[in-house]
Formats: sequence, C-alpha cells, structure tokens
Amino acid sequence: GAGVSQSPSNKVTEKGKDVELRCDPISGHTALYWYRQSLGQGLEFLIYFQGNSAPDKSGLPSDRFSAERTGGSVSTLTIQRTQQEDSAVYLCASSLSSGMNTEAFFGQGTRLTVV
Amino acid sequence: DAKTTQPPSMDCAEGRAANLPCNHSTISGNEYVYWYRQIHSQGPQYIIHGLKNNETNEMASLIITEDRKSSTLILPHATLRDTAVYYCIVRVLNFGNEKLTFGTGTRLTIIP
Repeated sequence: GAGVSQSPSNKVTEKGKDVELRCDPISGHTALYWYRQSLGQGLEFLIYFQGNSAPDKSGLPSDRFSAERTGGSVSTLTIQRTQQEDSAVYLCASSLSSGMNTEAFFGQGTRLTVV
Repeated sequence: DAKTTQPPSMDCAEGRAANLPCNHSTISGNEYVYWYRQIHSQGPQYIIHGLKNNETNEMASLIITEDRKSSTLILPHATLRDTAVYYCIVRVLNFGNEKLTFGTGTRLTIIP
C-alpha cells in the first residue's frame, strides 16, 4: 500500500538489549515524525525530521534514544539498553512539507514490550 | 503551539450528530485548528483542519467561532465505527516546525 509502514509491528525484548524500529514514510513526504504512546496515555512527541536533518529532537527522553533518516526516506529509531518504562507503542508519521495544509499520515505503530 | 481543552469523554447515539467541543483561548492569528482521531489500536487519522472559516469534508464539519477561541467538530451521522479518541490540535504551519502536539483528547463512544 501507499501508507506509512512500520516494522516490526510487535517487538518483545529483554531489559538491557538494544532495539531498532523502522519507518518507511509515504513516498515524496519530506517531513517525518516519531511519537510514542504508553498504555492508556496520549501521544508523546519524540523527534521530527525535515529531509535527513532533525530540527527538533526535544522529545527524546534520554540519550539512550536516537534516530536517523537516510536518503530523505527511511528512518530508524534506536533505543539502547532498553528499560521497562520504554514499553509503549512507537508511532511514525510523515507529511508533505509545503508549510500549508500539511496533514500527517500515521503508521500502525510498533508495540515494544521490554521484559 | 497553543494549548487546547477538551472534555475527557462523550457519548452519542448512533445516527445522531456528534458535536465535539474544543477550547483554544490562547490561539494566535497564524495557528490552524486540526482534528485527528485514534481508533483503538490504530495510528491517529487526520479528519479536518481550518484557520478561521468553517470547513466541511466527507468525514466531518469544523465550526470555528468568530473570535477563534473555540471550535466544534461535527460528525453528522455518527456510526459505531466513529467510536474513538478525538484530538483537537492548534499549530503554526511554519516550514521546519510542523510538530503536532497532542493533548489528552475526547473519548467518544457511539451508543447503539
């Protein structure tokens, strides 16, 4: 399909391990966002990319979290030394970055469980 | 981005119009009002947005007060599939600063 694709859809990992979450945005969308949503909570902004650069990293909760985007397309969110409080659904969104009438399209998310 | 205030929950009978209010009293002149919804276990879905004029699309209508301090999302004929959390967001559309800041939203339950 032509929507935002995230993988894996589910990930169970042991505490202390590193994980990588992948986001394939809609083709041609230059803006890409990562959010996370803990159980029963609202969406928490993590990081925003415009092309390959990240003008807003303000939401990354600690230095264990990092993200990159290559070729203006695929993005990877990496969590090092995972902790149980990292358990959440990680959502990716993309949008055209025209500055006007931009709507963000979300993927289905990756459900991360740290045991 | 300006803050928004929404009721935590609402019920609406199936087939009736669902009217979801949002207060954004600190909105500034260049901030748009956006509405998204999140159906259980899915990513948020864009519904509609506007600046100062009322807007309508195939999903909903957006009514923005003249002073722009509040707005109402209207789902004209609610169905069970409209049960979701609805988020009202205000944001500036500046190139390079397009973060969406989600609040706690309104949990809308459509009653059969």
